[in-house]
Amino acid sequence: EIVLTQSPATLSLSPGERATLSCRASQSVGAYLAWYQQRPGQAPRLLIYDASIRATGIPARFSGSGSGTDFTLTISSLEPEDFAVYYCQHRSNLAPWTFGQGTKVEIK
Amino acid sequence: EVQLVESGGGLVKPGGSLRLSCVASGFTFSSHTMNWVRQTPRKGLEWVSSISGSGSYISYADSLRGRFTISRDNAKDSLYLQMSSLRVEDTGIYYCARRFYYEGLFDPWGQGTLVTVSS
Repeated sequence: EIVLTQSPATLSLSPGERATLSCRASQSVGAYLAWYQQRPGQAPRLLIYDASIRATGIPARFSGSGSGTDFTLTISSLEPEDFAVYYCQHRSNLAPWTFGQGTKVEIK
Repeated sequence: EVQLVESGGGLVKPGGSLRLSCVASGFTFSSHTMNWVRQTPRKGLEWVSSISGSGSYISYADSLRGRFTISRDNAKDSLYLQMSSLRVEDTGIYYCARRFYYEGLFDPWGQGTLVTVSS
């Protein structure tokens, strides 16, 4: 089973600042890496899949990059609604599918 | 608008059983693979189970196989999760989620239903 390790655990930033979140896989996952956002009290929602493709309706300030074992989610300029927890997830054609432990982006 | 609404959560004693339901609307339910994903204090987000649109293909997380059973009723646009031999560590929020384009991608998600296993 692939283990995903996210860093940092918490990121303290101000609105308008750039956020850079990392996800490292225990073995190569190619480009099969997704990112989800979970706001307080809400279900997760898909932001990015296949490392860099934004899901429908996701603003352009969210971007993803990476391949193999190292991936990055970047939020170019934080809006108030972006303060949330972000999870990376490995997807493939076969289960099981695993999630990272999450990075919380909080207001500084 | 696509909607997924879970129900059936609650308080249950260790060793007990519970059946979760998820009612879908806004899309052709029978055409989509559906999933259960849970969020627990101990493990965070954890994929639980998946079932194909016809119900022919089913998969489970290894740690849960044998205790949990996924099923669906396409005539009722409904997804189910039968949970038995529940343990304290099964406590968490259980979400149903539709497959998004590819296997192993989940979107949208329902609002979740809380399961609490405690004596």
